[in-house]
Amino acid sequence: KAGVTQTPRYLIKTRGQQVTLSCSPISGHRSVSWYQQTPGQGLQFLFEYFSETQRNKGNFPGRFSGRQFSNSRSEMNVSTLELGDSALYLCASSSWGDGEQFFGPGTRLTVL
Amino acid sequence: DAKTTQPPSMDCAEGRAANLPCNHSTISGNEYVYWYRQIHSQGPQYIIHGLKNNETNEMASLIITEDRKSSTLILPHATLRDTAVYYCIARSVVGGTSYGKLTFGQGTILTVHP
Repeated sequence: KAGVTQTPRYLIKTRGQQVTLSCSPISGHRSVSWYQQTPGQGLQFLFEYFSETQRNKGNFPGRFSGRQFSNSRSEMNVSTLELGDSALYLCASSSWGDGEQFFGPGTRLTVL
Repeated sequence: DAKTTQPPSMDCAEGRAANLPCNHSTISGNEYVYWYRQIHSQGPQYIIHGLKNNETNEMASLIITEDRKSSTLILPHATLRDTAVYYCIARSVVGGTSYGKLTFGQGTILTVHP
């Protein structure tokens, strides 16, 4: 079974721009979660989508948003990028959102 | 989710057992203990989880104390490839605010030496 895939793997943007990251979950998984990892804050939960609905949300500003499609693929969007948004963005999938999560390799975003 | 406390770093000799402790003294009855690890610059990898009984799989064993206030992850024969950051997470599976959410702490950096 193919694992979780994320595209792109690396991205460089400038302040004020917006960015869209993509995540394809393991086949059959309906829950997709997003995390931000920085050296200072560690791994932090952004939000979770299940059946195209945001079901859970972390403490991030509204500039961070996401969506999920009917095939369970998910995208996250960050608008008006700030230098502090430079991070590794990870997505994870699971069957129902309440068990073991499988993580993708992440997208490394650098904001200049 | 209950807060977990882990030592910031540990060393282990290759071929020996690595015993990683975790304190979760405020864990509630419906919270599981999950362990993940993250090898440098990769996504975290699930290792094992348990509620109150000891658990074993092909990767590791999980020993949870009877009062559930602490646990130990055991890698029976550590190899150099086990060098990683290990995260202990207490997670409710009742639903609601726990859906799809893992609360990561700082973890333990395990270094396996030749």
